[in-house]
Amino acid sequence: SQELEQSPQSLIVQEGKNLTINCTSSKTLYGLYWYKQKYGEGLIFLMMLQKGGEEKSHEKITAKLDEKKQQSSLHITASQPSHAGIYLCGAKKRGGSEKLVFGKGTKLTVNP
Amino acid sequence: NAGVTQTPKFQVLKTGQSMTLQCAQDMNHNSMYWYRQDPGMGLRLIYYSASEGTTDKGEVPNGYNVSRLNKREFSLRLESAAPSQTSVYFCASSATGTTQYFGPGTRLTVL
Repeated sequence: SQELEQSPQSLIVQEGKNLTINCTSSKTLYGLYWYKQKYGEGLIFLMMLQKGGEEKSHEKITAKLDEKKQQSSLHITASQPSHAGIYLCGAKKRGGSEKLVFGKGTKLTVNP
Repeated sequence: NAGVTQTPKFQVLKTGQSMTLQCAQDMNHNSMYWYRQDPGMGLRLIYYSASEGTTDKGEVPNGYNVSRLNKREFSLRLESAAPSQTSVYFCASSATGTTQYFGPGTRLTVL
């Protein structure tokens, strides 16, 4: 079965610093989703990547999918306390299934 | 536009009790999902429904039943709760083949 590995598991940065979170699969990713979760709340959709080499940005967050479609990265530029939370990647299984498998998440703390 | 709503937000049960978690979406989505989230385990799919009247097992369906009451509503039932079912439960919905949108979650404790 497809598994998604996220790294690091947790990250503490000083406000203003850049950071990167990675999501890696042993199999080809068919639709890669990034979500953010604040403690005690639901998941908020950030971005979806589908094509190898694809890159999307929203405000200070950029997500990329590598050419082989087995690794995605989420990069935050000039982090702010509002970026703190848990970031999860999810991917569709092969065969067009609607089901998503998720990584275990990366907990981000941004210190002012 | 409320999106995906879940009730209740919090619940405490004793072992053996039953309860139903409710989920509704107002986005006219065909597909709906139930996940559980546990520390160190991430999100795991319990059941999903691709359309009204159909349901399918996910990764961890044992101990749960679901009902897709209509296009808007998808409920999750615990017939005889066990401490291992202590978790945070999330409902999600999506249009076919597109992004899943999540509800705020139900935090369930089984004593």
